[in-house]
Amino acid sequence: EVQLVDSGGDLVKPGGSLRLSCAASGFTFSSYTLNWVRQAPGKGLEWVSCISGSSAYVYYAGSVRGRFTISRDNAKNSLYLQMNSLRAEDTAVYYCARESLDSREFDYWGQGTLVTVS
Amino acid sequence: DIQMTQSPSSLSASVGDSVTITCRASQSITTYLNWYQQKPGKAPKVLIYAASTLQSGVPSRFSGSGFGIDFTLTISSLQPEDFATYYCQQSYSTPWTFGRGTKVEIK
Repeated sequence: EVQLVDSGGDLVKPGGSLRLSCAASGFTFSSYTLNWVRQAPGKGLEWVSCISGSSAYVYYAGSVRGRFTISRDNAKNSLYLQMNSLRAEDTAVYYCARESLDSREFDYWGQGTLVTVS
Repeated sequence: DIQMTQSPSSLSASVGDSVTITCRASQSITTYLNWYQQKPGKAPKVLIYAASTLQSGVPSRFSGSGFGIDFTLTISSLQPEDFATYYCQQSYSTPWTFGRGTKVEIK
C-alpha cells in the first residue's frame, strides 16, 4: 500500500527556517517525481515544488524560489523541503504528493503538516 | 504560467441532482487536466486524470470531458458523500497550477 507521511510542521517566527519531511513506503521511491503542495487556511491549493526521481530536475513556484529547497534521499525513501526566510504568507498545510508516471496527476498525497509563521 | 479558471466558485444542490463544474485553461493543455475532491481537514483525492479517465475506485457517477482549453467535471446523481470542494489542475507544464475550487454544498 502506498503511503506518504508528512512531518516537521511547527510555529516559527518570520524570517525563520523549518525543514519538512515526507516518509514514503509501498512503491519504488526512486522511480517517481514528488511534489510539495500547500494550502493556506481557508484557501485553495498551491503547488510549491517538485523533484524528479534522480533529483536531476527541480522546479519551484515563483513565490518560494530562492527561499525553499526541495531534496530527496532515495536510500531513506524520504522527501524534504527546507524553508528559509519564512513569511506570514507561507502559513499553510503542506502536503507531499506523488506524481503519476504517465499523466502526471498527483495520485497519492500525504496527510499534510501545518506550518504557522507568526 | 498557465492560469486555470474554474466556475462556479460554489453551488448548492440536492441529493440526486446532476452538477457540472467547468475549468478553462489560459492556453491549450491538450488532455493534461486533472480533477480532485477535497473534504474538510483531509488531503485532496484524485477523481479524474487525463481529462476523462476515472481513477481506480472512484464511482462512475463522476465523469470528465474536454480537450485543449475547456473542461468539465460532471457528477450525476449527487450523493451525500459528494459534498466537498473540487479543484481542477493542469499537468501540461510547470508550474503546475490549480483552479480556485468549487464548493458543492447541500441545498
